[in-house]
Amino acid sequence: GAGVSQSPSNKVTEKGKDVELRCDPISGHTALYWYRQSLGQGLEFLIYFQGNSAPDKSGLPSDRFSAERTGGSVSTLTIQRTQQEDSAVYLCASSVHSGGEGDTQYFGPGTRLTVL
Amino acid sequence: GQNIDQPTEMTATEGAIVQINCTYQTSGFNGLFWYQQHAGEAPTFLSYNVLDGLEEKGRFSSFLSRSKGYSYLLLKELQMKDSASYLCAVLYGNNRLAFGKGNQVVVIP
Repeated sequence: GAGVSQSPSNKVTEKGKDVELRCDPISGHTALYWYRQSLGQGLEFLIYFQGNSAPDKSGLPSDRFSAERTGGSVSTLTIQRTQQEDSAVYLCASSVHSGGEGDTQYFGPGTRLTVL
Repeated sequence: GQNIDQPTEMTATEGAIVQINCTYQTSGFNGLFWYQQHAGEAPTFLSYNVLDGLEEKGRFSSFLSRSKGYSYLLLKELQMKDSASYLCAVLYGNNRLAFGKGNQVVVIP
C-alpha cells in the first residue's frame, strides 16, 4: 500500500519568503508528526496531531512555524519569513496510535529546504 | 529534557557482527524503537522493545534493559547494504519520540 508522501521533495527559497510543506499520511493513521533533521543532528520534534485533539505544538522553534491538519488527513507545515537556520530536511511521520508496536511511526521521504 | 546517547560512527567488515549501543534518560518510557536511515532517505522501522530482553528478527536483534536505561541493536552477517545510520528512539509522555543522533555504520569488504 501507499506510504507517507511529502511534497515538494526539494525547496530552495530566499531568506524572508514563506514556504509550505505538505504531508499525506498513510490512510487510516490517526497520528501525524513533523520533525526537522539538520546535518549531523538527531530528529527534532516539531508538532504532533492526534485525531481531533488539539495538536501538541511544544516543539515548534518559533512563532514563524505553524501547521494544520485538514480533515484528519493531509497536513501542511508553514514557515513564514524563512531564515538560513531553517535549512534542514523536514520529515513527516504517521502512526496508527493503537499502543505498543502500533505506535510505530512511518516516515515520508522528507522535504529538503534550503534558504539562501 | 530527554537524553539519548549513541556512538557516532563505527566500521565493520562484511560478514561480521556489529553491536550498536544506546543509553537513554527520559521522563517516562513506553517503548524503544530502532530505525535504519540510508543517506538522503527517510528512517525505516527495524525493531520495537518494551519489555526487558532480546527480540530477534532475522539478521537483526534488539535488546532492552529498562533498569539500566540501555538497549543495543545487533546486526549479524553484515552486508554492504547495511551501511547506514541507525537511530535509537524512545517513546515517552504523550506519544512523543525522542531520537538519538544516530550511529553511522560503515561496512567494508
